[in-house]
Formats: sequence, structure tokens, C-alpha cells
Amino acid sequence: QSVLTQPPSVSGASGQRVTISCTGSSANIGADYAVHWYRQLPGTAPKVLIYGNDNRPSGVPDRFSGSKSGTSASLAISGLQAEDEADYYCQSYDSSLSAWVFGGGTKLTVL
Amino acid sequence: QLVESGGGVVQPGESLRLSCTTSEVTFSTYGMHWVRQAPNKGLEWVAYIRHDGSKEYYPDSAKGRFTISRDNSKSTLYLQMKSLTADDTGIYYCAKDIRWGSQNYFDYWGQGTLVTVSS
Repeated sequence: QSVLTQPPSVSGASGQRVTISCTGSSANIGADYAVHWYRQLPGTAPKVLIYGNDNRPSGVPDRFSGSKSGTSASLAISGLQAEDEADYYCQSYDSSLSAWVFGGGTKLTVL
Repeated sequence: QLVESGGGVVQPGESLRLSCTTSEVTFSTYGMHWVRQAPNKGLEWVAYIRHDGSKEYYPDSAKGRFTISRDNSKSTLYLQMKSLTADDTGIYYCAKDIRWGSQNYFDYWGQGTLVTVSS
């Protein structure tokens, strides 16, 4: 299993708000390593959505926001749209493994 | 833009070399990663190399079998893989490293190249 734990799936109606959690430990998120989020549309490569816990790259709408507290982080998506259907991954660094690590991914379904 | 190549079907125990090329003239100024994704699975980091090739990093799953290298004169990144097993099957992405403070994340990814290890 993955070092960072994410729910396998989340869903929400169009226009609603959903959150995706990412739980780590004192060796990664809790050790003050930043959390980054990636979105992977079906059949495509991942793209960075949030970097440094709560920063959006240019071009990413403000419907997407990130937060971090203790050994966990969250990605919030408001005003859900059909094109938001994708897999979402959190990522950080683990000092005990000396490795960049990912969450197992969360599949978002827009109802 | 990053373009991977070199994937294919190989038998268990064989070797394979992947390449990742870019037209960016600044290739020599940033580190690079390889990340893989097994079929219908999540992402796994497999290697990182500094901008000048002076240092490489691997997770335990790749140490001793995978070697990352780069040729900055050709703006090309490589991943040499040996003793491949079925568990190495998946899409291999190269990704550009970017620093945020003292930390790193994956800024831009190639489209990936598929490696299949099967007898």
C-alpha cells in the first residue's frame, strides 16, 4: 500500500464541493514536507494542480484549493464540473524512505 | 515538451533503456525524474538525477537494477533497466523537477512510454 493514504473514490453532484484527504505520518507530511497534488485525466499524463500545500500554478482555476495540517492534507474542489472527473494524487517526500512518495490516488466521479 | 521512447515488450530478466528528449534549451538547468504507473495502479517514483548529473537517487525498489543518466548536450534523459520482472510492467513517465523552497515536486510530465515484461 501507499505511504500516503487517500480514499479510493469520491463523488459529488455538478456544482457541489468535494474534498479529497491525504493522510501521512511524522516521516513525511508531519515532518513539514510540502504536499503537492496532481490530476490525471483518463489516458493522459498527470499534471500539477496544487504545489507547496496551497499554491495554484497559473491556469488552474481558483475552484481548486489545498490545505495542510499536522500529518494530513486536503484538496478541495468547488463548483464541480463534468470535466473534473479524473484521478487525483497527493505527493510529498518521506525522510525515512529518502523517497518522493505518492498517495494511492482518488477517482472523482461527477454525478 | 518531454517525449519518452524506448518502451516495448521484453521477457523477464532482460534489460531495456528508455529515453526522454526535450527541445528546451534550459534542460541542463533542472533535475529530472522517472515515475512509473503499473496498469490501473497509482504513481511510483523510480529515479531522480541532478541537473548536472552529479548525483542520482533511487527508491529501494529500483536500487541496483535501474540507472538514471543524462546527456545535457543532447537534452536527453535515460533510464537503463535490468533484470526486469512482471512487476516492472507499466507506463514510465519522465518528469521535470522544480524546486519550491528547499523541496521538489514534479512540474511537467511527458506522455509516457509503455514497458511490458512478459514471457
